[in-house]
Amino acid sequence: SQQGEEDPQALSIQEGENATMNCSYKTSINNLQWYRQNSGRGLVHLILIRSNEREKHSGRLRVTLDTSKKSSSLLITASRAADTASYFCATAPIAGGTSYGKLTFGQGTILTVHP
Amino acid sequence: DTGVSQNPRHKITKRGQNVTFRCDPISEHNRLYWYRQTLGQGPEFLTYFQNEAQLEKSRLLSDRFSAERPKGSFSTLEIQRTEQGDSAMYLCASSLRERFTDTQYFGPGTRLTVL
Repeated sequence: SQQGEEDPQALSIQEGENATMNCSYKTSINNLQWYRQNSGRGLVHLILIRSNEREKHSGRLRVTLDTSKKSSSLLITASRAADTASYFCATAPIAGGTSYGKLTFGQGTILTVHP
Repeated sequence: DTGVSQNPRHKITKRGQNVTFRCDPISEHNRLYWYRQTLGQGPEFLTYFQNEAQLEKSRLLSDRFSAERPKGSFSTLEIQRTEQGDSAMYLCASSLRERFTDTQYFGPGTRLTVL
């Protein structure tokens, strides 16, 4: 079953604009990861944020994590047409036990960036 | 730089036939995961291995599904007596288990169509 929800389900913007996607989850986590998937292809890892971190940057990506609200956001700044893809958040359970490392994905946000 | 590879990339089969997929992880990675993704959904966890040991299986994995990872290297996922509901993208991922993080790297997937 899916861990949580992503919002919005679809987002359409113009090139150069910023895109923000949100993810909520239900259980305590060790870390949260964001992945990108181009149509019909495998997933590409974008960024990982640990449960004791609140914000992380990587290039044009900014991720925040609020464990008290069980939510995360992904901001893509100065979007490009090549950013068009589906974006998924995935949570890893807390350490200990055999489930450690198993990812539970949200349903994804479809981002379309118009040139 | 060799990533995760999966073969075949596409498989079309008739209902009732058996199919087998192969995954070759990144060479130094000790963990290997299988996920299934249907259209419009995020990937769902099926099973994972640490070295050659299968540590967890999802309830999604019926008795018709079996996975192996002999010698802790490549892995195979077999589906016996395929059903139309098995049509999906089957994704493999690998990771190097580290103390606090477990970034998974995905292969391109095998798309299964059951007629």
